[in-house]
Amino acid sequence: GAVVSQHPSWVICKSGTSVKIECRSLDFQATTMFWYRQFPKQSLMLMATSNEGSKATYEQGVEKDKFLINHASLTLSTLTVTSAHPEDSSFYICSASGLGYEQYFGPGTRLTVT
Amino acid sequence: SQQGEEDPQALSIQEGENATMNCSYKTSINNLQWYRQNSGRGLVHLILIRSNEREKHSGRLRVTLDTSKKSSSLLITASRAADTASYFCAIEAAGNKLTFGGGTRVLVKP
Repeated sequence: GAVVSQHPSWVICKSGTSVKIECRSLDFQATTMFWYRQFPKQSLMLMATSNEGSKATYEQGVEKDKFLINHASLTLSTLTVTSAHPEDSSFYICSASGLGYEQYFGPGTRLTVT
Repeated sequence: SQQGEEDPQALSIQEGENATMNCSYKTSINNLQWYRQNSGRGLVHLILIRSNEREKHSGRLRVTLDTSKKSSSLLITASRAADTASYFCAIEAAGNKLTFGGGTRVLVKP
């Protein structure tokens, strides 16, 4: 099956700093990547959808200047949390889909902002 | 909201018993998918059922879909301790976007 990786798997950062999370499709070309956020014991909430080479489409209520998404290639998308605050602490999960439209999920990145 | 609602929120059963969880939604869908998530881990895709399908099986999993009632159910038969996880339904309406339900936390006691 298709494999999606995320790096790092967990990160701790200080309030006010920026953190970059990578999402890679390892064995297929991902024309679309999705970024989700999941708070403890809650469901996944879609943050944004990104297509290779174009600007990401953000869901309502998600600040695009705070959560910068770059999808520069067919195998890599990055999410940068800028000026992180403790309330940004969450589990961030990406998924990737190719021509078949099925989404393949990464293992997630746990962000803790102190 | 298109978000699916899952019922129950939590379920505790003995190993060997069956576990049933339900998902309801509000809009028309292309398909409905079920995922499993172990604590602190990523999602594992279990099964996809299309809007024109009514029932699907995969191993010990059975999924039903009733588009007239806008609901789906996931049945895990002969549960095992390893089935302990959170289970989420996700609806795909348009544009390949998935909207997830609130999840059901399943605890299978040995």
